[in-house]
Amino acid sequence: AQTVTQSQPEMSVQEAETVTLSCTYDTSESDYYLFWYKQPPSRQMILVIRQEAYKQQNATENRFSVNFQKAAKSFSLKISDSQLGDAAMYFCAYSFTGANNLFFGTGTRLTVIP
Amino acid sequence: DAMVIQNPRYQVTQFGKPVTLSCSQTLNHNVMYWYQQKSSQAPKLLFHYYDKDFNNEADTPDNFQSRRPNTSFCFLDIRSPGLGDAAMYLCATSQGTTLIGNEQFFGPGTRLTVL
Repeated sequence: AQTVTQSQPEMSVQEAETVTLSCTYDTSESDYYLFWYKQPPSRQMILVIRQEAYKQQNATENRFSVNFQKAAKSFSLKISDSQLGDAAMYFCAYSFTGANNLFFGTGTRLTVIP
Repeated sequence: DAMVIQNPRYQVTQFGKPVTLSCSQTLNHNVMYWYQQKSSQAPKLLFHYYDKDFNNEADTPDNFQSRRPNTSFCFLDIRSPGLGDAAMYLCATSQGTTLIGNEQFFGPGTRLTVL
């Protein structure tokens, strides 16, 4: 079974500081993909960053980067230079080759303190 | 801009009164999804269409139905809404290829209130 675990229901960060959100997953698949989605309050969910499991290099998108530890099945999101607009619910998600589903974690609510 | 559109954004219905939520997309994606999201929880997949092929999740209640008359539109029908069906309903699309790992594009959601 595919499961995604986010152990931090809530996190907070001071504006301009760095924060790391944790995610672990369980799978027996060898070819899969990992995602971080951001859902701001009352706004739609958008993709923040994507990682292909076959790539060893960690994905980076501007201030967002991941630490992908395949052996440990860990996929954490680092947000650098946090901004007020980063405040949102963040969902870690997983999909594998041949699946049309996304498996979501339970989410981490990030608060950015001015 | 290519996008996923959901109407209405807010829907109020009465207990037991059928309601239909709509989703349209300009992305020309093969796959369309309906999720139910309750407060501060992860989205829960109800079903999805791969082109015209309907795929129901095993634990989706029979009270929930869906229609996809063409590539662009998909509807969620709730035949007899109960108080427990009050939630945000998210529509999403994907190209249906694993080349990009099934990245999904979400609409803004419809918040359903059941009185």
